[in-house]
Amino acid sequence: DQQVKQNSPSLSVQEGRISILNCDYTNSMFDYFLWYKKYPAEGPTFLISISSIKDKNEDGRFTVFLNKSAKHLSLHIVPSQPGDSAVYFCAATGRLGQFYFGTGTSLTVIP
Amino acid sequence: KAGVTQTPRYLIKTRGQQVTLSCSPISGHRSVSWYQQTPGQGLQFLFEYFSETQRNKGNFPGRFSGRQFSNSRSEMNVSTLELGDSALYLCASRLTLNTEAFFGQGTRLTVV
Repeated sequence: DQQVKQNSPSLSVQEGRISILNCDYTNSMFDYFLWYKKYPAEGPTFLISISSIKDKNEDGRFTVFLNKSAKHLSLHIVPSQPGDSAVYFCAATGRLGQFYFGTGTSLTVIP
Repeated sequence: KAGVTQTPRYLIKTRGQQVTLSCSPISGHRSVSWYQQTPGQGLQFLFEYFSETQRNKGNFPGRFSGRQFSNSRSEMNVSTLELGDSALYLCASRLTLNTEAFFGQGTRLTVV
């Protein structure tokens, strides 16, 4: 049972434009959400997180939005750069602390 | 500060054998969790240890086991290897149970 879903396996965006990666979750007990970036043959790297008490968190070019009523979060990258090309995983956790990951979205930023 | 270290980076084993993977967390981190990544499946949670106790366990058969030592280093063991166990195995550590996890580079296991 996939509690965190990323329905877009891949996304292509022109350099300089906005990249929007989406994630849906089913468990209303999740209260902390994270985005990770992964290059081939490397472990995932933490990007940004958001607590359920917020609806937006910003860090440089990266912004995460949380819509609790829709059980949806999104990651915005503005402006997108070729170095952003990677697989992006969203993750969620709750009181028990176990992380649940989505299946990932492969982002390609075209120069 | 050293990151999460996983050894070995690559491993080739034969069906039926067993394998042990090692993970050294970031200094001071007491939580270590393990994940299996296969194409199209994302990161599947195996188990998590905190202060030498298994706190959570994913939906994997009993052939997958782990442990954590008093210095927080962790090992994962897979017995009676199957072809389907070929995957990237990732270890992550975190300071507390509600903070971000930091991943190692993974061990690429190939079962032939």
